[in-house]
Amino acid sequence: AQSVTQLGSHVSVSEGALVLLRCNYSSSVPPYLFWYVQYPNQGLQLLLKYTTGATLVKGINGFEAEFKKSETSFHLTKPSAHMSDAAEYFCAVTVYSGAGSYQLTFGKGTKLSVIP
Amino acid sequence: EPEVTQTPSHQVTQMGQEVILRCVPISNHLYFYWYRQILGQKVEFLVSFYNNEISEKSEIFDDQFSVERPDGSNFTLKIRSTKLEDSAMYFCASGGQGGMNTEAFFGQGTRLTVV
Repeated sequence: AQSVTQLGSHVSVSEGALVLLRCNYSSSVPPYLFWYVQYPNQGLQLLLKYTTGATLVKGINGFEAEFKKSETSFHLTKPSAHMSDAAEYFCAVTVYSGAGSYQLTFGKGTKLSVIP
Repeated sequence: EPEVTQTPSHQVTQMGQEVILRCVPISNHLYFYWYRQILGQKVEFLVSFYNNEISEKSEIFDDQFSVERPDGSNFTLKIRSTKLEDSAMYFCASGGQGGMNTEAFFGQGTRLTVV
C-alpha cells in the first residue's frame, strides 16, 4: 500500500519569499503523484501532477514540483509567495489498482500562511 | 468551465438518521468517487464507481454506506444510520476516460454534522 508524509502541518513564509512544501511517499510500484490546493470553504483543486516523463512538472499559479525517485520525494516549490497562495496544500499518491480505480492516498496537508 | 456540484453544502442530522449526499459529476465523465475529511485530518478515500458498480472501496465504506447513480446524472452517497464519527466534509469527484492520467475534479464538499 502507498502512503504520503507531508513534513510540517503549518508553514509560514513572507510575501516574495520561496515556498517549499515537502512531500515524501512510499509505494512498491511507480507512483503517480499530485499536489492539490484547498482554499477556505472550497473543494480540492489540482495544482500539478506527475505521471510519467519529465520529472520536473509545472502547475498553475507558478508552482512546480520535482519527482525524485531516489529520495521518494515530490516537494512543491514556488519562487515568490503571494498573499493569494495562503491555503492548505495536499500531496497525494496513487497507483493503478484496477478498472477505473483512482484511489488517491492523501497526506495530512500543510497549511501555508503568507506574511505581508 | 465544467464543475462537480455537491448539495447540500451543509447538512445537520441526528444520530441514527439516514442522510443522502448528492453530487452532479461532470457530464462526460465515467469515473466517480467519494472522499471524506474529518475536521483536522487528512482526506480519505471512501469508494470509486465505474460502469454502474463499485470498483473499489476502503475499510471506512462499511455496510452503513452505499452509492448510487440513479438517473445517469446524479451520484449519491447514502449513510443509512449516521454516527457521531460520520461528521466530516464529504467530497465527490469525477474523472474522464484516461484513467490514471486523467485529473479527478472535486466538488466543493458537503459538511455533514451529526448531533
